[in-house]
Order: sequence, then C-alpha cells, then structure tokens
Amino acid sequence: EDQVTQSPEALRLQEGESSSLNCSYTVSGLRGLFWYRQDPGKGPEFLFTLYSAGEEKEKERLKATLTKKESFLHITAPKPEDSATYLCAVQAYGGKLIFGQGTELSVKP
Amino acid sequence: EAGVTQFPSHSVIEKGQTVTLRCDPISGHDNLYWYRRVMGKEIKFLLHFVKESKQDESGMPNNRFLAERTGGTYSTLKVQPAELEDSGVYFCASSLLGQPGLATDTQYFGPGTRLTVL
Repeated sequence: EDQVTQSPEALRLQEGESSSLNCSYTVSGLRGLFWYRQDPGKGPEFLFTLYSAGEEKEKERLKATLTKKESFLHITAPKPEDSATYLCAVQAYGGKLIFGQGTELSVKP
Repeated sequence: EAGVTQFPSHSVIEKGQTVTLRCDPISGHDNLYWYRRVMGKEIKFLLHFVKESKQDESGMPNNRFLAERTGGTYSTLKVQPAELEDSGVYFCASSLLGQPGLATDTQYFGPGTRLTVL
C-alpha cells in the first residue's frame, strides 16, 4: 500500500536555527515527490518536485533532497515568515497525490 | 494569471441537506482533482478528471458524492444527503495534461471549501 509518513508532527525553532523535516514513503512506481507549504485557512502552495534519488532543489532558505526511501526539507536560518505546515506528497502512475500528515513549523523571533 | 478558485469558501448545512461545491481550475489545465481533509487526518484523494472524463474515482467515499465536469472546464462536487462525517475541507487542484510517462503533473491547489455538517 502506498504510504507517506512525515516527522516530526510539530517543530519549534528559534529564528536562525536550522533544521530538517523528514518524509518517508513507500510507493509502487514513483513519478514524483512533491513538497507543499500550507498556511492556515489556505490551500497547499507548491514548493518543489523531485523525480529521482539524488536530486536536490533549492528555493531561498529551503532545500529539498530525495533518496529511494525518503525526502528531507532542510530549512537554513529560518525566519518567522517560514512558519507554516509543510506537506509532502508522492505521485504514483495515474496522477493522484498521496499526502503525509504534515509538519507544523513554528519559528519564533 | 488566476489560480484555482473554489466556491463557497465556507458552508454550514444540516445533516440530510444537499451541498454543491464548485471549482474553477487554472485556464488550460485539463487535469482536475478533488481532495478532502477531515479533522486530524491527512489530505486524501477523491477523484480525477481529464477534461470532462472521470479518470479515477477510487477515492470517492460512497454514492452520496457526485462529481461532474461539464465541458471540461469547471467542476462541481455534490453531496446528497450530507452526513456528519462529510465535514472537512474540500480542495480542488488542477494541472496541465502531460504526455503519458512524463513527470509534468504539478498540481496547483485552490483555497478549499470548509464544509460543516451539523
């Protein structure tokens, strides 16, 4: 069964304190792994797509990496505006996304 | 360019009533998806349209849910009759229609409709 597990469920950081979020997955026929950011009351906002093990992508303070079993979202020197829920999802053949429960990140000044 | 829009943003109905949710995808996006998040759970897939055709409806919980996409543009999701367990946030997403086997299917989400069934 296709499954995505994110950890930790919640993460509190001080501004400038770097950390990583984990996304472990099992899927038959991975087409892509997606990271989204979701703010309260809004829909998921696309961040990255990773397609194959070893791939890395960066955007501002965020860097996503992918192995055959997991993905990491590294946050370098976070700011309060990075506070949000970060969602990981995998896409198998057919198009639908399978989501993890998310990591709620809080960055305090 | 306008993003995915959904209407209404909130809906509060009584058990047994009918509710219709609407989604307008990004212009030119032939793929349209419906997802739902119930409290405390992850976002889960409901169904997938390619243009006006249902490609995959394996996530639809039961026959009280009916989705349509007339003309391959906007889509509606009707719940009739609504039950308490239908409460949650319903998201719509759209993407371009890529070639089979190519990883081009980045899905862009709307803001969601929060449905509360009392």
